[in-house]
Amino acid sequence: EAQVTQNPRYLITVTGKKLTVTCSQNMNHEYMSWYRQDPGLGLRQIYYSMNVEVTDKGDVPEGYKVSRKEKRNFPLILESPSPNQTSLYFCASSVQGARDTQYFGPGTRLTVL
Amino acid sequence: DAKTTQPTSMDCAEGRAANLPCNHSTISGNEYVYWYRQIHSQGPQYIIHGLKNNETNEMASLIITEDRKSSTLILPHATLRDTAVYYCIVPMDSSYKLIFGSGTRLLVRP
Repeated sequence: EAQVTQNPRYLITVTGKKLTVTCSQNMNHEYMSWYRQDPGLGLRQIYYSMNVEVTDKGDVPEGYKVSRKEKRNFPLILESPSPNQTSLYFCASSVQGARDTQYFGPGTRLTVL
Repeated sequence: DAKTTQPTSMDCAEGRAANLPCNHSTISGNEYVYWYRQIHSQGPQYIIHGLKNNETNEMASLIITEDRKSSTLILPHATLRDTAVYYCIVPMDSSYKLIFGSGTRLLVRP
């Protein structure tokens, strides 16, 4: 089954404790991206990747890192999480870019205390 | 992305057709109209997309006006599980992201 998976689905952590949210797709897509969703602000893009080893900032990249060492994986790294990063996070992938059909993961709900 | 305008909320009765409008008056000739939906905190789900002609798939139909300045997503027989926020999006050719506006919150009533 074609899908985008994210782990963990839920995470409660404390300020400053490094964490990684994994994202994996099995569709051989070149394009992957991360969004965060907050009440009243909608979905905003954090980072995106057009292909392996090619990443770029979205609208709200501060406090986040990403890497794209393999085509199927696009982890989101929070080196020193802060409470304002409490949010619902979604990973998405598509064949080549935003104009292609996006497949979204189930989401990761992160709480930073 | 071309700016889109959608009603904030709509409702319809279960089993009836749900018609969700979207205005995209600044759309360019080669830009597609995409529809996604998000069911309560789940990942957004692709529904359908089109350029000029009307499109239909197993989930919905998309009617695009001849001048392409507006479109309507039709769920022919809405069920309770169709209650969701529906987003109409027009990504630019060179765009690297989708811009999700506020969407239309559809409530399907029993």
